Amino acid sequence: DSGVTQTPKHLITATGQRVTLRCSPRSGDLSVYWYQQSLDQGLQFLIQYYNGEERAKGNILERFSAQQFPDLHSELNLSSLELGDSALYFCASSGALGKGQETQYFGPGTRLLVL
Amino acid sequence: GENVEQHPSTLSVQEGDSAVIKCTYSDSASNYFPWYKQELGKRPQLIIDIRSNVGEKKDQRIAVTLNKTAKHFSLHITETQPEDSAVYFCAASKSGKAAGNKLTFGGGTRVLVKP
Repeated sequence: DSGVTQTPKHLITATGQRVTLRCSPRSGDLSVYWYQQSLDQGLQFLIQYYNGEERAKGNILERFSAQQFPDLHSELNLSSLELGDSALYFCASSGALGKGQETQYFGPGTRLLVL
Repeated sequence: GENVEQHPSTLSVQEGDSAVIKCTYSDSASNYFPWYKQELGKRPQLIIDIRSNVGEKKDQRIAVTLNKTAKHFSLHITETQPEDSAVYFCAASKSGKAAGNKLTFGGGTRVLVKP
């Protein structure tokens, strides 16, 4: 157990719908990262938040958005869902930047299936 | 941006033999290189990492080497066991307060250890 929690574990929804994925980082970690894992694209970085602020953006679609709350949990919102959005979505967390705490610990993931 | 290539994509070894996975990266500013092991349907789990100021690191049967000049790093698993069967991912990042620490992953290597 990495200490990172994600809910829900599984999500089945229809095209055009909107879903919210939730992540709680390890106690004390300030950074939260979201990654998407699909069969044909591998593990892709989506977005990073650090202490409540957006820090880096990767290949995240405009239909996707995220935020980090004052208690440091994070939510990833996926809207206007398409079949191709079906994937495993992982959250990871790490400690303070620039202090040798760069190890990222991954949560169990949310498996999203869009029908 | 950073690009990480990983080879081979599949690797089959006899139990007790060694396994070697190689990765190359493109951004010479990358300074942190973790390796993750992922079992089917599970989260990526860190097995070893190396920073750019170190050339080699070992942890029991696992070792990682880094050649900054050639921009490549390798994972070595000795005395392989059936429980080593999994998908292994290399990754690279620019770690630090300014850089942010997002991970760019290689495509993964599926390792099968035959008893």
